[in-house]
Amino acid sequence: DTGVSQNPRHKITKRGQNVTFRCDPISEHNRLYWYRQTLGQGPEFLTYFQNEAQLEKSRLLSDRFSAERPKGSFSTLEIQRTEQGDSAMYLCASSLADRASQPQHFGDGTRLSIL
Amino acid sequence: AQSVTQLDSHVSVSEGTPVLLRCNYSSSYSPSLFWYVQHPNKGLQLLLKYTSAATLVKGINGFEAEFKKSETSFHLTKPSAHMSDAAEYFCVAHLPFNAGGTSYGKLTFGQGTILTVHP
Repeated sequence: DTGVSQNPRHKITKRGQNVTFRCDPISEHNRLYWYRQTLGQGPEFLTYFQNEAQLEKSRLLSDRFSAERPKGSFSTLEIQRTEQGDSAMYLCASSLADRASQPQHFGDGTRLSIL
Repeated sequence: AQSVTQLDSHVSVSEGTPVLLRCNYSSSYSPSLFWYVQHPNKGLQLLLKYTSAATLVKGINGFEAEFKKSETSFHLTKPSAHMSDAAEYFCVAHLPFNAGGTSYGKLTFGQGTILTVHP
């Protein structure tokens, strides 16, 4: 399967701990997106990369959040000093860069639970 | 500002009957529109997309949607529901924002509609 891969699928941690998630996009896709989805809501945009450059960050992305895509391939999302409100599903998506609208392909997400 | 509104949070149908999931958008741009489906604890799967070509779009698993600019709607339909269609459905708008000539393709999601299919 050559879809978007996210690891881990589930993460349970205590409040105040740091967590890191990984996303491996579809190999030929140069755009990579992170979204957060809370229970009963649609996904909300967090940040976006084109190749290794982080081009946009949502106001939802507080200074405790950092995302990287060092070689323009996989990406990591780190949350420092986790809080109860960080509990959510974190979704990664990738797409081709094109002026016409290219659909984004999603991974199965990482579900974060803060104790 | 752009927004996507799904008019029903829950829709319940019997197997074999038609499905209608309603979506309206608001935008000053000409949007690309998508429908995604999400099964429990899974990511989102693309059902279909509209990108200013034909207004009636056919997708996977027998779903289709019609773009109506005058009504700013993009409703999803299926003639006959199957048990496996039970899931949450999201109407999504892609409203390209050109910054320095680059379209980054931020998606704006509706609130989702949970479809229940009864035997």
